[in-house]
Amino acid sequence: AQSVTQLDSQVPVFEEAPVELRCNYSSSVSVYLFWYVQYPNQGLQLLLKYLSGSTLVKGINGFEAEFNKSQTSFHLRKPSVHISDTAEYFCAVNTGNQFYFGTGTSLTVIP
Amino acid sequence: EAGVAQSPRYKIIEKRQSVAFWCNPISGHATLYWYQQILGQGPKLLIQFQNNGVVDDSQLPKDRFSAERLKGVDSTLKIQPAKLEDSAVYLCASSFKGGRYTEAFFGQGTRLTVV
Repeated sequence: AQSVTQLDSQVPVFEEAPVELRCNYSSSVSVYLFWYVQYPNQGLQLLLKYLSGSTLVKGINGFEAEFNKSQTSFHLRKPSVHISDTAEYFCAVNTGNQFYFGTGTSLTVIP
Repeated sequence: EAGVAQSPRYKIIEKRQSVAFWCNPISGHATLYWYQQILGQGPKLLIQFQNNGVVDDSQLPKDRFSAERLKGVDSTLKIQPAKLEDSAVYLCASSFKGGRYTEAFFGQGTRLTVV
């Protein structure tokens, strides 16, 4: 069985501070990992994905994530956040049959 | 390139009424997904199509939900009759083809409120 755990439901952070959003997964098969962002009243937009190769993946808007197989984690990071980064962030795994999403982390950037 | 189109954006209905949502995927995308996103939760897959065939509908409440994808292009999701717990955002997504390598592109969603 597959599952995705996002450990923090809400993360407040001051503008220009660094942030890390945590994601852990469990799976009985090889997985491919994704981070999506959802702005209010919008659909989900892909931030970045890990398929293979380098474990450090860079995405849009200055975000990056590191795949750690031994810890089954795929944490999302940004060194300096902006007000516009306020949104809901979802970690997801794709087993080939379907996407499994975490419950989301609400990032609020405080001016 | 046009994205995934969904309509309507918002819908309010009374319980026991019926409702239908429409989705037009990105041109050329063979795989189409319908997700239900309840407030405070991540999206949950309801049904996945590959062209006009159903790949996975294991989490679709078939006593009240139905979906079709005629001609392998646009799709309709129907709820009949609606219950209060069906209040959610219904997201449509598409991908070029199924499989682990492909990302899904999402529409803006339809927010359903059942009163």
